[in-house]
Amino acid sequence: GDSVTQMEGPVTLSEEAFLTINCTYTATGYPSLFWYVQYPGEGLQLLLKATKADDKGSNKGFEATYRKETTSFHLEKGSVQVSDSAVYFCALSDYTGRRALTFGSGTRLQVQP
Amino acid sequence: SAVISQKPSRDICQRGTSLTIQCQVDSQVTMMFWYRQQPGQSLTLIATANQGSEATYESGFVIDKFPISRPNLTFSTLTVSNMSPEDSSIYLCSVEEGQGVEQFFGPGTRLTVL
Repeated sequence: GDSVTQMEGPVTLSEEAFLTINCTYTATGYPSLFWYVQYPGEGLQLLLKATKADDKGSNKGFEATYRKETTSFHLEKGSVQVSDSAVYFCALSDYTGRRALTFGSGTRLQVQP
Repeated sequence: SAVISQKPSRDICQRGTSLTIQCQVDSQVTMMFWYRQQPGQSLTLIATANQGSEATYESGFVIDKFPISRPNLTFSTLTVSNMSPEDSSIYLCSVEEGQGVEQFFGPGTRLTVL
């Protein structure tokens, strides 16, 4: 079945540091890939998406590129802020089947001033 | 994107009781999903709810424990029945929108079972 593997957290960075959160996936079809963010005490928000190989999703300074050859969708940001502190979830949706999202385990990011 | 609301936002319940969670969307959507997020964990799909048909449950979730209704294209309910402390979680509904690619989530219902 489909699965998503994320790097373990927590990730602690200083403000303005470079961020990478690794995400790899296994899917039988050609999935769409997503990053969701959950700020403390809030619901889940879609951060960015990519629907086919080599697509780059971007939003709020975050980027991720759909790499089919390495089955990866790593999240990056060049300069993090304290307000980026949250839990980040990588997810996929495989439209050959159930259409629901399969989530990774989540990575907690803590940015210190 | 669609605006999704859930009621209640949180509740504290006694063991053995049931709670019904409502999910309301401000536009008509075909597919709605219910997820569970246990404390400190990721999200797990409970079931997919399409209007006019019975919900489709994931492995490990059964209709007797989590009955779902989907009376129209803007509304769904999830009931957590005969609750135990292990049911303490955040329950989220989501809808599929646009070209059928992304899903958007409601704010969640935080349930604590004593």
